[in-house]
Amino acid sequence: DAKTTQPNSMESNEEEPVHLPCNHSTISGTDYIHWYRQLPSQGPEYVIHGLTSNVNNRMASLAIAEDRKSSTLILHRATLRDAAVYYCIPQRHGSSNTGKLIFGQGTTLQVKP
Amino acid sequence: NAGVTQTPKFQVLKTGQSMTLQCAQDMNHNSMYWYRQDPGMGLRLIYYSASEGTTDKGEVPNGYNVSRLNKREFSLRLESAAPSQTSVYFCASSEWGGSETQYFGPGTRLLVL
Repeated sequence: DAKTTQPNSMESNEEEPVHLPCNHSTISGTDYIHWYRQLPSQGPEYVIHGLTSNVNNRMASLAIAEDRKSSTLILHRATLRDAAVYYCIPQRHGSSNTGKLIFGQGTTLQVKP
Repeated sequence: NAGVTQTPKFQVLKTGQSMTLQCAQDMNHNSMYWYRQDPGMGLRLIYYSASEGTTDKGEVPNGYNVSRLNKREFSLRLESAAPSQTSVYFCASSEWGGSETQYFGPGTRLLVL
């Protein structure tokens, strides 16, 4: 399983963009990069995932380095509701994968009004 | 749709007591999972069920048993609770195992005295 490194915490001002980095230098060629977030006192929720190309959805954008050893989750305009712990999780796709998600410590994002 | 529901929301047990945590999903998902989250830590997989009728151990299965009662329900049983099992327990489901997005319940907070 690929190991990830994320900053313990980050701060942002409301309405400003936030870039959350993740290092996954041991990722294998078939691992997708998934991002989940966990709001206070709630279960985790899916944010976005990608393999090689940058990805966008209604919640965020995911920028993946060309060598795939790192990625950045981008929240374009942070709101107070985005304050959460963000987890970067490499996950192998395919029938051999049980679906197990390996959660690290994640990055705690604080959003200031 | 309620998504993933868990009962109870909160429980206090004495050491040695037993209890069953209930989980149900209404998304017609095939795979279901049980995780635990200790304070300040990421989630760790206890058991999972790739499909109805199958269960497998995750990272931290000792002290737990599971039952996949039907496609909708996946229960987690503590036969003889220990203080080390004080944690927040999350159930999750996905359409299939592997790369599919997992949907999490709100969690059960368990305190073992």
